[in-house]
Amino acid sequence: EPEVTQTPSHQVTQMGQEVILRCVPISNHLYFYWYRQILGQKVEFLVSFYNNEISEKSEIFDDQFSVERPDGSNFTLKIRSTKLEDSAMYFCASRRQGPLRGYTFGSGTRLTVV
Amino acid sequence: AQSVTQLDSHVSVSEGTPVLLRCNYSSSYSPSLFWYVQHPNKGLQLLLKYTSAATLVKGINGFEAEFKKSETSFHLTKPSAHMSDAAEYFCAGNGGSQGNLIFGKGTKLSVKP
Repeated sequence: EPEVTQTPSHQVTQMGQEVILRCVPISNHLYFYWYRQILGQKVEFLVSFYNNEISEKSEIFDDQFSVERPDGSNFTLKIRSTKLEDSAMYFCASRRQGPLRGYTFGSGTRLTVV
Repeated sequence: AQSVTQLDSHVSVSEGTPVLLRCNYSSSYSPSLFWYVQHPNKGLQLLLKYTSAATLVKGINGFEAEFKKSETSFHLTKPSAHMSDAAEYFCAGNGGSQGNLIFGKGTKLSVKP
């Protein structure tokens, strides 16, 4: 069964450093998402990406965040200058065209900012 | 769905007894609703989804959920709990035109021997 692959599984970074979280969505999927889950809290939507541009973003997704699909297979989330409160599990997801078809989440990247 | 509410933060059952995890939603349109399971330090695994077809949805591992529009509910059930069912369960609904999902706060299911 096709999977959404996220790397690394765990990243530790110092406050103020830039991090890039990587995702390889399922190959025939057209919509891509990033979500965040702070420890012990619910999963929150960050951003959606379609047709090589951001299609929707939440208020969490401020100027510190950016997304990119640099080569047609990878989908990245960059945090420019990490803060302690960015520590969370970050999930990538992708889906096919149509009403929420094939919505698949990756296994997540646990980001720890120290 | 504009909002998704999971009514119980923690549910504890004995092995072999039924499981009921409650989820209510609010939506001004016909919602799509999902149940995901998350085992410790793992990702989100889809259990089942409702997308305006049959109101009783069967999922993996013996779970099922019933969409009840009159009650704005999508409760998750399983006839007989197994120890391996112990995990966090999230209800989610479609939150916007681009397919972003809105999640409930989660219900932690404990299964006692």
